[in-house]
Amino acid sequence: NAGVTQTPKFRVLKTGQSMTLLCAQDMNHEYMYWYRQDPGMGLRLIHYSVGEGTTAKGEVPDGYNVSRLKKQNFLLGLESAAPSQTSVYFCASSSITGVLIAGELFFGEGSRLTVL
Amino acid sequence: SQKIEQNSEALNIQEGKTATLTCNYTNYSPAYLQWYRQDPGRGPVFLLLIRENEKEKRKERLKVTFDTTLKQSLFHITASQPADSATYLCALEKDYNQGGKLIFGQGTELSVKP
Repeated sequence: NAGVTQTPKFRVLKTGQSMTLLCAQDMNHEYMYWYRQDPGMGLRLIHYSVGEGTTAKGEVPDGYNVSRLKKQNFLLGLESAAPSQTSVYFCASSSITGVLIAGELFFGEGSRLTVL
Repeated sequence: SQKIEQNSEALNIQEGKTATLTCNYTNYSPAYLQWYRQDPGRGPVFLLLIRENEKEKRKERLKVTFDTTLKQSLFHITASQPADSATYLCALEKDYNQGGKLIFGQGTELSVKP
């Protein structure tokens, strides 16, 4: 079991370029999330998905788009990268443990993105 | 506005002592709270979940309390070891019954000295 795998692990972009971060999980989890982590800011939720074909906005969605065409994959896209999007991006997944409560989040190892 | 606050100052303690980390929240009524550990350059790893109707939860040397009146959770590591040095994050679900959307505090860095 690989758990949650993120690619790429590192990327340097120029302002205005586009890119896609890929997250794959092999635990058959319903929920998937994209967070960004910046010094002193903690983890902030960008977008999330409660199932295949569904996505929703988190706290800081502007400048990002997501897609979940397959249950095991959750893609995060930057259409026109800006220096403010320099960050470490974490993907996570979780399953439903009860009627109303999602369980623990399983995180990937992160993708470090620098926008020049 | 809704806020989750953890002590941003690093906590330095001596090996063998009990480390206590605090998580305070405002304008939330979470049904549960989670604690995670994060090592440098790694993703967070789940430690414990405590529900609103549970006052205390234990797992080996870890103990979490949840006081919904004070809007506070305390995270204790007893008999701390240098290997416990890491950043610890608390997280609350936002929008109950909306896909388990977790909001995180900024984390507290713990350093255990031999």
